[in-house]
Amino acid sequence: EVQLVESGGGLVQPGGSLRLSCAASGFTFSNYAMSWVRQAPGKGLEWVSAISGSGGRTYYTDSVKGRFTISRDNSKSTLFLQMNSLRAEDTAIYFCAKDTYPTGAGAFDFWGQGTMVTVSS
Amino acid sequence: DIQMTQSPSTLSASVGDRVTITCRASQSIYSWLAWYQQKPGKAPKVLIYKASNLERGVPSRFSGSGAGTDFTLTISSLQPDDFATYYCQQYRTYPVSFGQGTKLEI
Repeated sequence: EVQLVESGGGLVQPGGSLRLSCAASGFTFSNYAMSWVRQAPGKGLEWVSAISGSGGRTYYTDSVKGRFTISRDNSKSTLFLQMNSLRAEDTAIYFCAKDTYPTGAGAFDFWGQGTMVTVSS
Repeated sequence: DIQMTQSPSTLSASVGDRVTITCRASQSIYSWLAWYQQKPGKAPKVLIYKASNLERGVPSRFSGSGAGTDFTLTISSLQPDDFATYYCQQYRTYPVSFGQGTKLEI
């Protein structure tokens, strides 16, 4: 059974940092790209970042470029999102999602339950 | 970047109704489109991929069609469990993008 379990969310002040983790199980982690998708309170889904199965390619939405860094540890089947210079508009539930392809740009066939990030003073 | 526009934003329907949700892409995405269902407090769940392929385990009352820029999700006979928010997503290229969502209400 595929499982994705996010952690690391919380309350942080504007300008602060957080590191999200997503522990994966039930599939060969290195064979699939992974993404982070967020959802602000009461709003729709917004794709944030993706990383290929090998970790060699990364992709970001414009609003987080230069502030967020996606990475993965295939030996531990874990996905990360390092978030720096956080802003109020980054407040959202952050979901990790499994891609259907190793290179990315696929549909998301499994999702974690999400972790809440609140940026506020 | 490719923009995805869904309509309607809200849809009121009854159990047993046939409903259709539309998604339009700002440029051709061929058939690289997925549909998701999300219930309050839960993660999205994929229903359809590659425009018309039903994900394993999804009831056959759900169907998808379209190609290029215009796509539809149809629910042939609404069940109580189907009242949720639905999103389309293009994955032709990064940045992948979602429609704004359609809330299906009783």
